[in-house]
Amino acid sequence: QSALTQPPSSSGTPGQRVTLSCSGSTSNIGSNPVNWYQQFPGTAPKLLIFTYSQRPSGVPDRFSGTKSGTSASLAISDLQSEDEADYYCAAWDDSLNAWVFGGGTRLTVL
Amino acid sequence: QLQLQESGPGLVRPSETLSLTCTVSGDSISSTGHYWAWIRQPPGKGLEWIGSIYYNGSPFYNPSLKSRATISVDTSKNQFSLRVTSVTASDTAVYYCARLKGVAVADFWGQGTLIAVSA
Repeated sequence: QSALTQPPSSSGTPGQRVTLSCSGSTSNIGSNPVNWYQQFPGTAPKLLIFTYSQRPSGVPDRFSGTKSGTSASLAISDLQSEDEADYYCAAWDDSLNAWVFGGGTRLTVL
Repeated sequence: QLQLQESGPGLVRPSETLSLTCTVSGDSISSTGHYWAWIRQPPGKGLEWIGSIYYNGSPFYNPSLKSRATISVDTSKNQFSLRVTSVTASDTAVYYCARLKGVAVADFWGQGTLIAVSA
């Protein structure tokens, strides 16, 4: 049982905007920055968004992050076929004294 | 260009100790502001943080591993290592090493190494 809850799957069509959710609590998302990772099958995760909405160099501005209370969201605009991947949210949890990840959302581009 | 490379045995017997090393190139493991971490991913499942270390500080661990994990740093070799004792089948996973910005942002990852626990 992950401290951060993500829907197991989501889908969209090319050009669409999709939003992936991540639900937590006051001890993690409510009080610490949220980060998002993208993972393709058989490869290591890649940092996509950090500190809620910052993008590392090279990450397209189609990807954006927001936070509201104890939930966070990753929005992908102008969805492309190469965005089909698993997406994980993560944050430090002050109660567990641990860095926690969501269970991940598999995004399918139809 | 920063690179991290995990190395390990591939197969570990139940109840034995798993040992992995992460070799860092393109950056000094002693560089300020960066922690170094181990994260694992069981087949078909999500990511689990194992623990982190600063080059000159104490390591800190995920309490869920119940003190079975030990992380250490060898600055002379620009490496950091992981040991997990008393392994069981549930420790079977791809193990990743990563560089952290602060304590909880992994900005560079190794390619990962699959460790299977089996008799």
